[in-house]
Amino acid sequence: EAAVTQSPRSKVAVTGGKVTLSCHQTNNHDYMYWYRQDTGHGLRLIHYSYVADSTEKGDIPDGYKASRPSQENFSLILELASLSQTAVYFCASSESSYEQYFGPGTRLTVL
Amino acid sequence: QQKVQQSPESLIVPEGGMASLNCTFSDRNSQYFWWYRQHSGEGPKALMSIFSNGDKKEGRFTAHLNKASLHVSLHIKDSQPSDSALYFCAVLSGGNYKPTFGKGTSLVVHP
Repeated sequence: EAAVTQSPRSKVAVTGGKVTLSCHQTNNHDYMYWYRQDTGHGLRLIHYSYVADSTEKGDIPDGYKASRPSQENFSLILELASLSQTAVYFCASSESSYEQYFGPGTRLTVL
Repeated sequence: QQKVQQSPESLIVPEGGMASLNCTFSDRNSQYFWWYRQHSGEGPKALMSIFSNGDKKEGRFTAHLNKASLHVSLHIKDSQPSDSALYFCAVLSGGNYKPTFGKGTSLVVHP
């Protein structure tokens, strides 16, 4: 079965600190995505990638960077974490326009 | 930019009842439509897809698509308490690998 894992599962960070969220997939999918989920906003796309060493901006990229060093791994980087970035973050993988497979999520709290 | 709106925001149905969820989209070039379900504390999981106008039935779930009306819906027959979850509509346009999600409908099925 397709699998997407995320680490850490939860994190508390300080304002202004650097945060790295990691995602790993064993689906052999080309596409990977980072979303954030906030109550009342659904799922919003931050960054995505369709090939290793390349990333694309999603709908809300400000304040976030992404890195895709290999087909299996996709990271989301918050260089200067802010209170407004407190949310649950989901990684997903897919093959073109087909089904997206989501990870279990990372709950990030910025204090 | 694609806009996807879901209604209602929340829905309460009795066990054994019918739940109807609606989704409207703005891009007439949209081609791929997915429904995702998210139980509390988990990542979203694909429930079903529909790509052609008309109805698609999978067990107790029926999706309906009307591209001319920019509308897709999900109907859950004989609702069970285990169907209680957050339901998202996701829309993709051909050649565009960025899905747009609605804000979700929270469904509660009470025994």
